[in-house]
Amino acid sequence: EDQVTQSPEALRLQEGESSSLNCSYTVSGLRGLFWYRQDPGKGPEFLFTLYSAGEEKEKERLKATLTKKESFLHITAPKPEDSATYLCAVRSSGTASKLTFGTGTRLQVTL
Amino acid sequence: EAGVTQFPSHSVIEKGQTVTLRCDPISGHDNLYWYRRVMGKEIKFLLHFVKESKQDESGMPNNRFLAERTGGTYSTLKVQPAELEDSGVYFCASSQVGHSNTEAFFGQGTRLTVV
Repeated sequence: EDQVTQSPEALRLQEGESSSLNCSYTVSGLRGLFWYRQDPGKGPEFLFTLYSAGEEKEKERLKATLTKKESFLHITAPKPEDSATYLCAVRSSGTASKLTFGTGTRLQVTL
Repeated sequence: EAGVTQFPSHSVIEKGQTVTLRCDPISGHDNLYWYRRVMGKEIKFLLHFVKESKQDESGMPNNRFLAERTGGTYSTLKVQPAELEDSGVYFCASSQVGHSNTEAFFGQGTRLTVV
């Protein structure tokens, strides 16, 4: 069974204080690792898809990386508007197209 | 382009009543998914439609849940009769078929409270 574990559960940063969120996964044949951002009262908003170890993608202050066992979401010089819950999900060859999610990391960026 | 739309945004019903949730996917998206997040837990898969056909319904909790997608457009998820443990946020997502980067786009969710 596919499993996704995210850490930390919550993270509080000051504006400009860079950090990383972790997503560890166990799947039977990775067909994609997805990062989503979720704001309160809204649905998950797609950020990145990574498919193979060594792959990296960037979007503004966010950079996602992937190894064979985990993915990191690096946040460089965060701003208060980056505050949200960040969700990691995987799609595997054994589960067709459905996503298996982690519980997320709640990020709060303060001034 | 309109995103995935869900109705209602909130619903409060009594135990034993029936509730129907609706999802309008992005136009042209043949894949439609239902997910649910109960308090304190991760978002979990319920089922997957390709057009009007159920591709995977392995996540449906029990036979009190019925999902339909008539004509391959919008979908409904009916809970009958509702139980307290059905409370949570129900998300719908859609994606295109046949594209390598088949990320799913989510709606804002329906918050269901069973009292």
